[in-house]
Amino acid sequence: GENVEQHPSTLSVQEGDSAVIKCTYSDSASNYFPWYKQELGKGPQLIIDIRSNVGEKKDQRIAVTLNKTAKHFSLHITETQPEDSAVYFCAASKGKLIFGQGTTLQVKP
Amino acid sequence: SQTIHQWPATLVQPVGSPLSLECTVEGTSNPNLYWYRQAAGRGLQLLFYSVGIGQISSEVPQNLSASRPQDRQFILSSKKLLLSDSGFYLCAWSNGRDRVAPFGPGTRLLVL
Repeated sequence: GENVEQHPSTLSVQEGDSAVIKCTYSDSASNYFPWYKQELGKGPQLIIDIRSNVGEKKDQRIAVTLNKTAKHFSLHITETQPEDSAVYFCAASKGKLIFGQGTTLQVKP
Repeated sequence: SQTIHQWPATLVQPVGSPLSLECTVEGTSNPNLYWYRQAAGRGLQLLFYSVGIGQISSEVPQNLSASRPQDRQFILSSKKLLLSDSGFYLCAWSNGRDRVAPFGPGTRLLVL
């Protein structure tokens, strides 16, 4: 079955800097790659997603890139703000979502 | 618009007691439904998914079971809870083609 690896497990950046989280997946048939943000005590919230027929997608300060050949995808957050601090999860799907282990992002003011 | 409901929000149960968590979806028909568990400080583990009434796929061997008695209802159960069943249980849905919609609000289960 699908296996998703996510790195790093923790990430600390200064406010205004960029943050990058990377994921790799094992099943080349996976065709949908969402990213979720989870704040303390809450369920995950979808923040951006990308399909396998697209290489890059951007939404304001957030962007996701996908390399199908290498089977990895990344989340990029620019001009980070303290409210970006949360746990971020990547996932891969060909019908059912398999999640990475999560990255705890801390943005220091 | 679609809405997903879960209850109860929190639950404290003794070891060996039964469990029933319910998830319902509004605003869509024939959704794929999912149960995930998140242990404290850890990622999300897919427990069960269902593509239709009475159709359940189990992802990991465990003490839990799932049922889908109606199109938009998904139930997570256990006959006898274990300490290791404690966690944050999340229900989610998708239309099979598109994104998995925002998760339900979740149920925090503490087994003592």
